[in-house]
This record gives sequence, structure tokens and C-alpha cells, in this order.
Amino acid sequence: EPEVTQTPSHQVTQMGQEVILRCVPISNHLYFYWYRQILGQKVEFLVSFYNNEISEKSEIFDDQFSVERPDGSNFTLKIRSTKLEDSAMYFCASKKLTGYSEAFFGQGTRLTVV
Amino acid sequence: AQKVTQAQTEISVVEKEDVTLDCVYETRDTTYYLFWYKQPPSGELVFLIRRNSFDEQNEISGRYSWNFQKSTSSFNFTITASQVVDSAVYFCALSEVSQGGSEKLVFGKGTKLTVNP
Repeated sequence: EPEVTQTPSHQVTQMGQEVILRCVPISNHLYFYWYRQILGQKVEFLVSFYNNEISEKSEIFDDQFSVERPDGSNFTLKIRSTKLEDSAMYFCASKKLTGYSEAFFGQGTRLTVV
Repeated sequence: AQKVTQAQTEISVVEKEDVTLDCVYETRDTTYYLFWYKQPPSGELVFLIRRNSFDEQNEISGRYSWNFQKSTSSFNFTITASQVVDSAVYFCALSEVSQGGSEKLVFGKGTKLTVNP
């Protein structure tokens, strides 16, 4: 069964460093998302991406964040200068169509900023 | 803005008990979608069910059932004869479509279910 895959599963980085979280969405899906879950809290929307551009971004998604689909298969989230409060589980999701189709989530990347 | 409320933060039951997880939502949209996801201790989000706002039929899938009541804006989830493997955090979510047409999920805070042997 097709699935969304994320790498790495766990990343530890020093404050101020840049990190890139990688995702391979399901191949025939058109809509891509990043969500974040701070430990013990709810899952929060960061950004949606369609047709090679950002469709919507949340207040969390400030200038330190960027997304890219560099080669038509990978979908990356870059955090330019990590802060302690960026420590969270980051989920990539993809969906085939808008509306009635469900979003499939990857297994998440746990980012720890020290 | 859309909102999803899962009032039960934690529930603990003994195996084989039935348990209902509550979800209440707020939306101004006439067309919307509701979801339940399971997050086991390993951390991934597992899709359980999708329901659109025009379909108020209850659904049963094995030991899982869902009760959608538009009149009370609720989409509750019942696990019958719970098992230890059902222990997880369960999230209810609502799809929100922005003016620009993009769509995202708004999640509740989740209910942590512990099923004890």
C-alpha cells in the first residue's frame, strides 16, 4: 500500500543550525502539507503546497520556514535557524484531491533542538 | 474560525469495556469533512475515518463505530470490546477550506485512551 515516507525519523540539532526535513508523498497525490505537534499537544497546520507553490501558511510558518519540491517527488521543510521552541514532531501529509479525500500522514520526524 | 473540541483529555478503561470518545466541532461551512486519526505510542498518525457533512449515517467498522449528529455538531467514536492495542491518542479533525480554496485539517487536542489488561 502506498505511503508517505519521512526522513529522518529523529533529528537532533543545535540551536541556530539549519535543518531540512524530507518527505516523499504518495506518487499520484497533488496536495502536500506540513503539520507540527509539540510534545503532548495537538497537531497544528503549518503549510499547504499545491501546483509548486504555497497555498496557505499558518502564523507559525514565519520567515524561518520554507518548503520546496525540488525534484517532483520529494517535499522538504527547511528551518533556517532553529530555536528551542521548534522542537516538535513534524508530519508531512499528502492527498490526492481536495475535499472528500483523506490526507495520508507520514510517520513523522521528531526534531530536537538543543 | 473552525474549532474542534475533545473534552476528554484522558480515558482509562479495562479491556473488553466499551468506550466512547467525544468530539464537538464548530464551523460556518455548509460542506465540511470530519476525520478521526489514531496516534499510537510509536507516534505516527493513522487515518481511521472520513465523514462528509451530508452523510449522517452512522458507520461501523469492526469494533469501531462513529455517530455523526449534525444537530449537535458532534462526531463521536465508540470502540466496542476495547483491547490493549487500542491504547493511543485519538484525534478528531475538521477540514477547513480557506477563501483561496486551499484546505487544511483543524485538529482537536486529542484524547489519550489507555486500555488496561
